[in-house]
Formats: sequence, structure tokens, C-alpha cells
Amino acid sequence: KNQVEQSPQSLIILEGKNCTLQCNYTVSPFSNLRWYKQDTGRGPVSLTIMTFSENTKSNGRYTATLDADTKQSSLHITASQLSDSASYICVVTSNNAGNMLTFGGGTRLMVKP
Amino acid sequence: ETGVTQTPRHLVMGMTNKKSLKCEQHLGHNAMYWYKQSAKKPLELMFVYNFKEQTENNSVPSRFSPECPNSSHLFLHLHTLQPEDSALYLCASSQEWGVLNQPQHFGDGTRLSIL
Repeated sequence: KNQVEQSPQSLIILEGKNCTLQCNYTVSPFSNLRWYKQDTGRGPVSLTIMTFSENTKSNGRYTATLDADTKQSSLHITASQLSDSASYICVVTSNNAGNMLTFGGGTRLMVKP
Repeated sequence: ETGVTQTPRHLVMGMTNKKSLKCEQHLGHNAMYWYKQSAKKPLELMFVYNFKEQTENNSVPSRFSPECPNSSHLFLHLHTLQPEDSALYLCASSQEWGVLNQPQHFGDGTRLSIL
């Protein structure tokens, strides 16, 4: 069964600090992995997308890594800001008919001043 | 703005009511999706329309009835819902269903509460 597990479920950090969110998946065959940011009361917004051959992808202060061998991804946030407070969702696409998406349960991040 | 607009943003209804959720996208996309997001659970894909044709129905109860009159509009008709149907319903669109590496653009959702 295709699964995406994210950790931690929730995280509180102080403004200006760095943090790393984890995503482990068992989706097969693998096509790509996306990280989404979902602000409270809003829909998810795509941050990064990585295919099998990509190890790192950056989007401003967000850097995603992918290890396709161990089926792990991380999202590193540098110099956090209050606006980074949100849920971060890892989504893995399977390279099969219809390219089915499997969503993780998300990590809820709170950045405090 | 994401280019995907959902209305209403909030909806409270009784179990015997009939209501509809609306989604409109201004991105020129050909695929549209309905998702259900419950508290502390991953997003659940409900329906997929590609070029106005329904391509996916993930065992969704018949009390949810989708309609896609054209590639820009998507509706979710609701009737005789249950309390466990209370959730955030998200609409999304992408260029085309089944094409790799295309991101889905989400609306801000309709927060549905069933009394």
C-alpha cells in the first residue's frame, strides 16, 4: 500500500531559527515528490517538486532534499519567519496509470516571536 | 491568488438539506479535482475530471454528486450528508490529468459543517 509519513506532526520554533521537516514514503513506482505549504484557512501552495534524479531543490529559504534510495525527503527552512507558520504537506506521485497522488498527513509548524 | 476560486467559503447545513459547492479556475487548465481534508488526516482525493470527463471516483458515497459543465467550472452537489462529512473541501486544477510533474493549483476551500 502506498503511504507517506511525515514527522514531526507539529513543531514550535523561535523566529530566526532553522528547522527540518521529514517525509518518508513507500510509494512505488516513484515519479516525483512535492512539498506544499498550507496556511490556515487557505489551500495548499506548491513549494518544490523533485523527480527521481534530483537531490536538492530550493525555493528561497526553503530547501527540499530527496534520497530516492532510502525513500526519504526533507524540507529545510532557514531563518524562519512568522509567516512560515503553516502546515507543510509532502505529496508523492506514483508513475502508474493516472499518476495517483499520495498525501502525507502534514507537519504543523508554528514560528513564535 | 491561485487562480482557483471556491464558493462559498463557509457552509453550515442540516443533514436533510441540499446544497452545492462551486469551483472556478481561470488558469486555462483541463483537469479539475475535488478533495476532502478532515482534521489530522491526509487529503483524500474524491473526484477527478479531465476535459470535462470524470476519470476518477475514489469510492465516494452517492450523497456527493460532482458536475463539470466545462473545463473551468466544477460543482459538488450535496444531499443528506452525515456529521462525519464535516470537513474542508478543496478544489484543485492542473493542466491535464495524468501528465507528470504538473503541480495542482488549489482553491482556498469550503469549510463545511453538518449539524
